[in-house]
Amino acid sequence: AQSVSQHNHHVILSEAASLELGCNYSYGGTVNLFWYVQYPGQHLQLLLKYFSGDPLVKGIKGFEAEFIKSKFSFNLRKPSVQWSDTAEYFCAVKGSARQLTFGSGTQLTVLP
Amino acid sequence: EAGVAQSPRYKIIEKRQSVAFWCNPISGHATLYWYQQILGQGPKLLIQFQNNGVVDDSQLPKDRFSAERLKGVDSTLKIQPAKLEDSAVYLCASSEMDIQTYEQYFGPGTRLTVT
Repeated sequence: AQSVSQHNHHVILSEAASLELGCNYSYGGTVNLFWYVQYPGQHLQLLLKYFSGDPLVKGIKGFEAEFIKSKFSFNLRKPSVQWSDTAEYFCAVKGSARQLTFGSGTQLTVLP
Repeated sequence: EAGVAQSPRYKIIEKRQSVAFWCNPISGHATLYWYQQILGQGPKLLIQFQNNGVVDDSQLPKDRFSAERLKGVDSTLKIQPAKLEDSAVYLCASSEMDIQTYEQYFGPGTRLTVT
């Protein structure tokens, strides 16, 4: 069975700080990986995704993630966060099953 | 493009009562999903439809939960009878039939409180 771990439950940063949110998955086969974001009062929306090819994936709003197969990781990064990045971030994995499995989420608070 | 619509947005019921949620997916999206998101956790898939057929309902508590997608468009999720532990946000999502792109679009959710 596939599973996802997000070790940071709540991250607090000041504006302009760099961000890295951890995501580790458990599945031995080929995976598709996703980061979703939920801004306060808004729907869950896709931030970026990895299917194949270049393991460094760029998403919206300056976010990127790197797939490291040997570490079963798909960490999310942003060089300089803004107050508007305050949101909850979810990592998700799809293995051979047709369903997405989500992590428990990381709440990011960016202080102005 | 209109997004995924859900109603109601909030619902408070007492345990043992029944409740129903409605979802209207994005036009043309063949696949529809219902998720349960308990506070502090990520969304958990309850059921997945492809058109009006069930693809995966392995995590649906079938003794109390039911879902249908008549005519392959709108869907309803029902809980009968509700338990305290059913308090959660129920999310509906839809995607095109192309599994390779697999982008799911989520609705605003229905926040259910069972007292």
